[in-house]
Amino acid sequence: GESVGLHLPTLSVQEGDNSIINCAYSNSASDYFIWYKQESGKGPQFIIDIRSNMDKRQGQRVTVLLNKTVKHLSLQIAATQPGDSAVYFCAENQPGNQFYFGTGTSLTVIP
Amino acid sequence: DTGVSQNPRHKITKRGQNVTFRCDPISEHNRLYWYRQTLGQGPEFLTYFQNEAQLEKSRLLSDRFSAERPKGSFSTLEIQRTEQGDSAMYLCASSVSSGTGNQPQHFGDGTRLSIL
Repeated sequence: GESVGLHLPTLSVQEGDNSIINCAYSNSASDYFIWYKQESGKGPQFIIDIRSNMDKRQGQRVTVLLNKTVKHLSLQIAATQPGDSAVYFCAENQPGNQFYFGTGTSLTVIP
Repeated sequence: DTGVSQNPRHKITKRGQNVTFRCDPISEHNRLYWYRQTLGQGPEFLTYFQNEAQLEKSRLLSDRFSAERPKGSFSTLEIQRTEQGDSAMYLCASSVSSGTGNQPQHFGDGTRLSIL
């Protein structure tokens, strides 16, 4: 079946370092991708999105890279802060307007 | 607060009972989605509405599940004859459809269902 997967289930980084969270997707027809942050007991919070006609998009302290050749997505967080500790999901928009989420990566920031 | 609102936040019920959850989307959003999330997993798509029309339903949505959005505003998700496996977080999200392509979905904080 088609799925979105994350390479690493957990990631620990020192405060101030940069974080990179990776995601693989399998449907080459997916044309829109979103990164979400989810804290315990809350719903996913939108971070940044990218369309398939782009390969890079930057936000505040975050950058998303899209490599359609290998169907890979990454989220880079600059100068990681303790408040960035959460589970991060990528989601792909497959044809039919359904979004599929990966399992998630748990990011822990060490003060 | 103009975000997506879900009620109740928590629901505990006995197996076999019916439950209903409500979602109030962001007011100008015409698309509304329901997801289910279990511990350690990402949200799983259940169904989505554009205005009052239910346009997509996942295979996960068994005949015990029904969702409505009668006036194109709030939505309800009902589960009949609940089973242990229905225990999960039920998330609602909304977005606006745009001629320029898909727009991000914004999520509520979910309803956590526990089946005894």
